[in-house]
Amino acid sequence: DTGVSQNPRHKITKRGQNVTFRCDPISEHNRLYWYRQTLGQGPEFLTYFQNEAQLEKSRLLSDRFSAERPKGSFSTLEIQRTEQGDSAMYLCASSSPGEGLSSGANVLTFGAGSRLTVL
Amino acid sequence: RKEVEQDPGPFNVPEGATVAFNCTYSNSASQSFFWYRQDCRKEPKLLMSVYSSGNEDGRFTAQLNRASQYISLLIRDSKLSDSATYLCVGRGGNKLVFGAGTILRVKS
Repeated sequence: DTGVSQNPRHKITKRGQNVTFRCDPISEHNRLYWYRQTLGQGPEFLTYFQNEAQLEKSRLLSDRFSAERPKGSFSTLEIQRTEQGDSAMYLCASSSPGEGLSSGANVLTFGAGSRLTVL
Repeated sequence: RKEVEQDPGPFNVPEGATVAFNCTYSNSASQSFFWYRQDCRKEPKLLMSVYSSGNEDGRFTAQLNRASQYISLLIRDSKLSDSATYLCVGRGGNKLVFGAGTILRVKS
């Protein structure tokens, strides 16, 4: 297992099209996160899964965004009817279970990201 | 107001210098804090956790002041390879909340 894998790495699409990103986390990690990052900003939280359950979703996420993790392993993030404002780097991260400052739950391992450009 | 705020910089320092970054957070319920490092066009990676009593990892020292709600990172004897964006991060519930980052450029 070489880490968190995301694909595609780059996606250019026209406004109004649908796009889907895939994330394969580290196999023993039960927690999976999606973040979005634009130039000059830090990663912005989108949604969180523990196993197959989606436990939290950002209020900033419109109804055009949906994420799934059907078997508690890989996850997909779909954006419907893309807008130019959706252009960003979409980062997936995973972490192991646990509580406490020193636990693996606080160590997010990020993938290299999927860069979306909406024309 | 953003939950985690940082001075974006850039901080331009010569090799060997000591540099300090501060970060403030607004959510007093935040339980844990971290510094992540992000190299240009790369993903963020954990640099160190921040303990209430302060902690050190080699040339890096992190401190947390809960009363004033700020976190600091001190880098001693800066190296060229320290050039990166440093992200201040707080944990609130299930998620980590990232600041916008502080850019450090170390020059020879």
